[in-house]
Amino acid sequence: DAGVIQSPRHEVTEMGQEVTLRCKPISGHNSLFWYRQTMMRGLELLIYFNNNVPIDDSGMPEDRFSAKMPNASFSTLKIQPSEPRDSAVYFCASILGGGVNEQFFGPGTRLTVL
Amino acid sequence: AQRVTQPEKLLSVFKGAPVELKCNYSYSGSPELFWYVQYSRQRLQLLLRHISRESIKGFTADLNKGETSFHLKKPFAQEEDSAMYYCALTGGSNYKLTFGKGTLLTVNP
Repeated sequence: DAGVIQSPRHEVTEMGQEVTLRCKPISGHNSLFWYRQTMMRGLELLIYFNNNVPIDDSGMPEDRFSAKMPNASFSTLKIQPSEPRDSAVYFCASILGGGVNEQFFGPGTRLTVL
Repeated sequence: AQRVTQPEKLLSVFKGAPVELKCNYSYSGSPELFWYVQYSRQRLQLLLRHISRESIKGFTADLNKGETSFHLKKPFAQEEDSAMYYCALTGGSNYKLTFGKGTLLTVNP
């Protein structure tokens, strides 16, 4: 298994543009998480899904952010419109079973909004 | 509410010296605690969890419920231990993992 796959690995865009980040969890994992990592705030949970259903989106910063999980093998995080303060590394992680199990992280997408 | 505090953003030690990365938590129930590590240019990965009570790469961590702490320790640091370390907490029955802001450990030769 290639592990959690994220694309693109790097994204540079201009303020106001729409950005879509993609994630493929490990096959068979039933929960998926989106995190944002910045120097100032560390690693923040944005949203997580269990069995493709959003469970907790309280970490989503504002309405410009949205996430979907149309099936068990794919999720997207969309920012529209993007702003320079959205620049960060976005990680996707997946897990099998409950919270006491190991979360497996993807390599991350480094987003730069100019 | 779940909260994890790592008071040190940066920690620098010399090779062979003991190292302790501090982690304090706030949680009203019975928590599950973890340490995750991110080596340079690698993915974030699990280092150890308190329920396993194991030593990984020479690191140990003991859950102290009285002090609400889960400090990570190693008696003799190695250069390859240089990395970003995150302490994390979950309530167990839910799936939400709350991370601290991380401590960047540098082990100097």
